[in-house]
Amino acid sequence: EAQVTQNPRYLITVTGKKLTVTCSQNMNHEYMSWYRQDPGLGLRQIYYSMNVEVTDKGDVPEGYKVSRKEKRNFPLILESPSPNQTSLYFCASSQSSLLGKTQYFGPGTRLLVL
Amino acid sequence: AQKITQTQPGMFVQEKEAVTLDCTYDTSDPSYGLFWYKQPSSGEMIFLIYQGSYDQQNATEGRYSLNFQKARKSANLVISASQLGDSAMYFCAMREGWNNDMRFGAGTRLTVKP
Repeated sequence: EAQVTQNPRYLITVTGKKLTVTCSQNMNHEYMSWYRQDPGLGLRQIYYSMNVEVTDKGDVPEGYKVSRKEKRNFPLILESPSPNQTSLYFCASSQSSLLGKTQYFGPGTRLLVL
Repeated sequence: AQKITQTQPGMFVQEKEAVTLDCTYDTSDPSYGLFWYKQPSSGEMIFLIYQGSYDQQNATEGRYSLNFQKARKSANLVISASQLGDSAMYFCAMREGWNNDMRFGAGTRLTVKP
């Protein structure tokens, strides 16, 4: 089954404790992206990757890191989480070059930073 | 500047009636794509419908149709014969040119009344 998986689905942590949210897709998509969703703001892009070893900042990259060492994986790293990073996070992937292709979303990760 | 605007934070509709969710967008790129997603209370993002800027006809997918008015830069989602299961958040999104970034509106929460 074609899918994007994220782990963990739910996470409660404390300020300053490094964490990683994993994202994996099995569709051989070149493009992968991370979003955060906050009430009244819709989804905002954090980082994206056009292909292996190619990453770039989105609209709200502060406090986050990513890496793309393999095509299928795109982990999101919070080196020192803060309460303002409490949010719902989505990973998404798509084929790179076709405008009409939608992005496929993972199930989301709900993060609470105390 | 806001690229996607959804002016209705919340909408109510009676079961079996039609409802229109508004979306306006801003772009100077002649090539773009418009998407609608549904997010039920469980949190996942479900792709509903796509409209390309060069498409001659309005997109339709089952009970969903997109009222695309290019000159007005609007891409309203029409849901016909509303069902209780249509109660959810709905997001309008846009991709421009060959840019893989997807910009989202703030969303509209639709409630279908029995």
